[in-house]
Amino acid sequence: GAGVSQSPSNKVTEKGKDVELRCDPISGHTALYWYRQSLGQGLEFLIYFQGNSAPDKSGLPSDRFSAERTGGSVSTLTIQRTQQEDSAVYLCASSLSRTSGRAYNEQFFGPGTRLTVL
Amino acid sequence: QQPVQSPQAVILREGEDAVINCSSSKALYSVHWYRQKHGEAPVFLMILLKGGEQKGHDKISASFNEKKQQSSLYLTASQLSYSGTYFCGTADNNAGNMLTFGGGTRLMVKP
Repeated sequence: GAGVSQSPSNKVTEKGKDVELRCDPISGHTALYWYRQSLGQGLEFLIYFQGNSAPDKSGLPSDRFSAERTGGSVSTLTIQRTQQEDSAVYLCASSLSRTSGRAYNEQFFGPGTRLTVL
Repeated sequence: QQPVQSPQAVILREGEDAVINCSSSKALYSVHWYRQKHGEAPVFLMILLKGGEQKGHDKISASFNEKKQQSSLYLTASQLSYSGTYFCGTADNNAGNMLTFGGGTRLMVKP
């Protein structure tokens, strides 16, 4: 079946411009996550959507970052007035919700969007 | 708070064993292990729940010591395909699916 897809795969932008990154989760997955991975670094949590609940935005580094999820499926991460320190790979992941008998479900990651801010 | 992984990097010869540790300053409910090959997305390996459960996946196994708030990943008779960066993700409750990931351990297996 189709996995998590992200677009674009690469984005080069100029400092100060706005960018939108898109994530298509696996069909049926109600949980969606955004992470940021700087070169050679770990996975930095940004935001988490679970069904129709209010998203957990606790990881967003500044108010220039925002995300929405339409219809419980596709999500868009928007970075306004991009800065050079925003350059990183932005990863999206999705998972099933907690189901009976399973305390957690594995996250399936997309290929990421490599953002370069000049 | 982010869990701490050790070592940060390790180089092995094919067939050698390795242990990767993941420690948290908080009580843990579960630990998840992922592997990321260069230029690719992280891929799930296994989940361990509190209770000291030990799991295995081929020649890769893991343990979870909830008292010590740590987990260890054991790679036995390493293969070239094991090369990559290993991340642990931790959850301190069973309320949802959110994880906090460690900084990663870079593993290189040489012929």
